[in-house]
Amino acid sequence: EVQLVESGGGLVQPGGSLRLSCAASGFTFSVYSMNWVRQAPGKGLEWLAYISASGVTIYEADSVRGRFTISRDDAKNSLFLQMNSLRAEDTAVYYCARLRFMDVWGQGTTVTVSS
Amino acid sequence: DIVLTQTPLSSPVTLGQPASISCKSSQSLVHSDGNTYLSWLQQRPGQPPKLLLYKISNRFSGVPDRFSGSGAGTDFTLKISWVEAEDVGVYYCMQSSQFPRTFGQGTKVEIK
Repeated sequence: EVQLVESGGGLVQPGGSLRLSCAASGFTFSVYSMNWVRQAPGKGLEWLAYISASGVTIYEADSVRGRFTISRDDAKNSLFLQMNSLRAEDTAVYYCARLRFMDVWGQGTTVTVSS
Repeated sequence: DIVLTQTPLSSPVTLGQPASISCKSSQSLVHSDGNTYLSWLQQRPGQPPKLLLYKISNRFSGVPDRFSGSGAGTDFTLKISWVEAEDVGVYYCMQSSQFPRTFGQGTKVEIK
């Protein structure tokens, strides 16, 4: 079964850091591009970052550029999102999604930024 | 950035009746490779989004054929030929022709 499982969310103070992980299974992770998308409480979807299959090409949303970094470890079938300088407005459910079509999504991990 | 505008934002429908959602883009979604990367996603309550249609009208694996997509350039439509109870949720259009990827605001489909 093709599956993505996010982890690493939690409660963090403003200015803090978190590292999210997305574990892939059921497909050859190394040949697929990946994305991070978030959804603030009661709001719509916001794309955050993209990484190509090779890991060479990376794009990030203006809202997170310089604070969030996407990366991947194909040996571990894992995608990561390093989040620094977190703000209250970063509170959201964070999803990883496969390919430009976003054909497979994980269940999400919740990040709450609050003092 | 490409702005996607969905209408309506809320769509109360009777079971068994059709529903239609429009998605208008602020600029053409035709990619340099000739494809138009406009997708539709469904998000049921409490669930992550699911891909329904990609490249305007291609149904993703397992998607019922009562879901169809049409359009070109900047104007796109999702049609549900007849609404079933399991179709309740929020529907988003999404473009992946350019970075940053962008989503419409979402249309809530509910049963009257």
